[in-house]
Amino acid sequence: QVQLQESGPGLVKPSETLSLICTVSGASISGSISNYNYYWGWIRQPPGKGLEWIGTTSYSGNTYYNPSLKSRVTVSEDTSRNQLSLRLSSVTAADTAVYYCARLKGRRYRLVGYYYMDVWGKGTTVTVSS
Amino acid sequence: QSVLTQPPSVSGAPGQRVTISCTGSGSNMGAGYDVHWYQLVPGSAPKLLIYDNNNRPSGVPDRFSGSKSGASASLAITGLQAEDEAIYYCQSYDSSLSGLEKWVFGGGTKLTVL
Repeated sequence: QVQLQESGPGLVKPSETLSLICTVSGASISGSISNYNYYWGWIRQPPGKGLEWIGTTSYSGNTYYNPSLKSRVTVSEDTSRNQLSLRLSSVTAADTAVYYCARLKGRRYRLVGYYYMDVWGKGTTVTVSS
Repeated sequence: QSVLTQPPSVSGAPGQRVTISCTGSGSNMGAGYDVHWYQLVPGSAPKLLIYDNNNRPSGVPDRFSGSKSGASASLAITGLQAEDEAIYYCQSYDSSLSGLEKWVFGGGTKLTVL
């Protein structure tokens, strides 16, 4: 059974960098299985608002970022630790949210836009405040 | 403002059927991208309910079904149960401008079981 667990500071000061880790168990983040590719990503939910996709990375090194966050975001994999990381720089109160990591699944012959989030972590709350 | 539009709330009595709509545009669902549905219960990990418009992952009851036509989609839940009370999100992919492609979600619909 694939499980994802987010971890990191619950409080970050304005203008600093938010750093989170997602530890994956039950699956390797560096590969594909059968006819499917598996990518890994981050999604967040600000208080009282809906879900917002942040970024996605693949085992082949491709990264995809939300255009509205692209200048501040880095998503990367640590295959030796089977972990996914998120770095968001120059944070403001608007970055206060529950942050989720998720596995994206898609058939090998399909474009990345057809991939969906088939496994999620429970999320971790990050508050940006001085 | 979400790229995909959902009603903020729906409700139904136990045993009834409810539907949740999701409206997009020609740059996402209307462009042929699939729609997927997720269930969020506070304190729990979000759960994939429907993928590729109308497919259920293993373990999801057949009370849940999805459909898509053009730039619109819907999630139907029959035989409502108290445990279905949650927030439901639709998700697709938007390619309105080159270099600005992204995965997008609806604003979420809170389902209340009366």
